[in-house]
Amino acid sequence: DQQVKQNSPSLSVQEGRISILNCDYTNSMFDYFLWYKKYPAEGPTFLISISSIKDKNEDGRFTVFLNKSAKHLSLHIVPSQPGDSAVYFCAAKKSGSEKLVFGKGTKLTVNP
Amino acid sequence: KAGVTQTPRYLIKTRGQQVTLSCSPISGHRSVSWYQQTPGQGLQFLFEYFSETQRNKGNFPGRFSGRQFSNSRSEMNVSTLELGDSALYLCASTGQGLNYGYTFGSGTRLTVV
Repeated sequence: DQQVKQNSPSLSVQEGRISILNCDYTNSMFDYFLWYKKYPAEGPTFLISISSIKDKNEDGRFTVFLNKSAKHLSLHIVPSQPGDSAVYFCAAKKSGSEKLVFGKGTKLTVNP
Repeated sequence: KAGVTQTPRYLIKTRGQQVTLSCSPISGHRSVSWYQQTPGQGLQFLFEYFSETQRNKGNFPGRFSGRQFSNSRSEMNVSTLELGDSALYLCASTGQGLNYGYTFGSGTRLTVV
């Protein structure tokens, strides 16, 4: 049972345009969500997070939107840069637990 | 401040052997979690330690075990290695309260032959 799903295995965008990465979850007990960027053979790098008490969090070029009723979150990267090319993972956790449940990831390619 | 340090970076072992991986968390972080990443299963939670106690455990066989020391450093051990244990093993440390952050190390790439 996959509780966190990233349905797009890959995404390709042009440099300067917006990248939108999507994530769906099934467990309504999740109340904290994180996005990570990952290169092969390296650990995930934290990008941005959001608590379920918010519906939006912004940090520079990265914005995460949370729609609790739809159990959906998205990561917007504007403007996209070639250095953003990597695999992006969505993760979720419940309060009181440090166990992260990850999606399978979306490979983003930003073309110059 | 220094990040999460995992040693060794790469390891090759033979089936049936055992292996111990090490993780030093960010200074002041008391929670350490371990994950396994494989191409087929993605990132899977192994277990979490806080103040030398295992607080949470994932769905892995008993061959996978861990411990945490009083200085918050953690080790994980895999006994009777199988080919399917080949993976990237990641450690993450977590702070508390305003110092909250969930930071991963670079991982240990284990290859079982």
